[in-house]
Amino acid sequence: AQSVSQHNHHVILSEAASLELGCNYSYGGTVNLFWYVQYPGQHLQLLLKYFSGDPLVKGIKGFEAEFIKSKFSFNLRKPSVQWSDTAEYFCAVNPLSGGYNKLIFGAGTRLAVHP
Amino acid sequence: DAMVIQNPRYQVTQFGKPVTLSCSQTLNHNVMYWYQQKSSQAPKLLFHYYDKDFNNEADTPDNFQSRRPNTSFCFLDIRSPGLGDAAMYLCATSRSRTGSSYEQYFGPGTRLTVT
Repeated sequence: AQSVSQHNHHVILSEAASLELGCNYSYGGTVNLFWYVQYPGQHLQLLLKYFSGDPLVKGIKGFEAEFIKSKFSFNLRKPSVQWSDTAEYFCAVNPLSGGYNKLIFGAGTRLAVHP
Repeated sequence: DAMVIQNPRYQVTQFGKPVTLSCSQTLNHNVMYWYQQKSSQAPKLLFHYYDKDFNNEADTPDNFQSRRPNTSFCFLDIRSPGLGDAAMYLCATSRSRTGSSYEQYFGPGTRLTVT
């Protein structure tokens, strides 16, 4: 079955530390890839997305992600986190098989940033 | 602001008592989705509507039904809630369900408690 794995369920960092959240997926065909963020008490918001082209994708708030096709990975990075980045982060994959688009989510990573 | 709205944000129901969750959107999107998210798990797609066309996921229990009376509204009906149905229910929309510019927009969710 198609699946998305996020390696870390909880991450705790100090402000200004660098962040990398891992995401791997199991689908072998062409995919679209997404990172969503959910701030405390708020709805899921799109952070960045990859459809095609440059595998290094830049999103909002200084986040970026790199698609490595050979590793089936789409890791999220930020060079220097802020307290306001405290949130839950979800990786999602849209396997572009026949039919309609759908999102398969990872279980999420809770990030806590301490001042 | 255009958005996806879910009511209520918190819902408590009794074991076996039917419950309806509501979602509305001002984005005028063609597709509306319902996800179930249990604690510390990935959001799981239950079904979606493409206009009036209902599409059920293969593993969605029969206990879950949905209605879409018009473009703006979509309802999730749980006919006989069990304790295992306690979860966050997320509504999402997208302009289309095919194509490379696919993106979903999420509501804040309804947290369902079954007593």
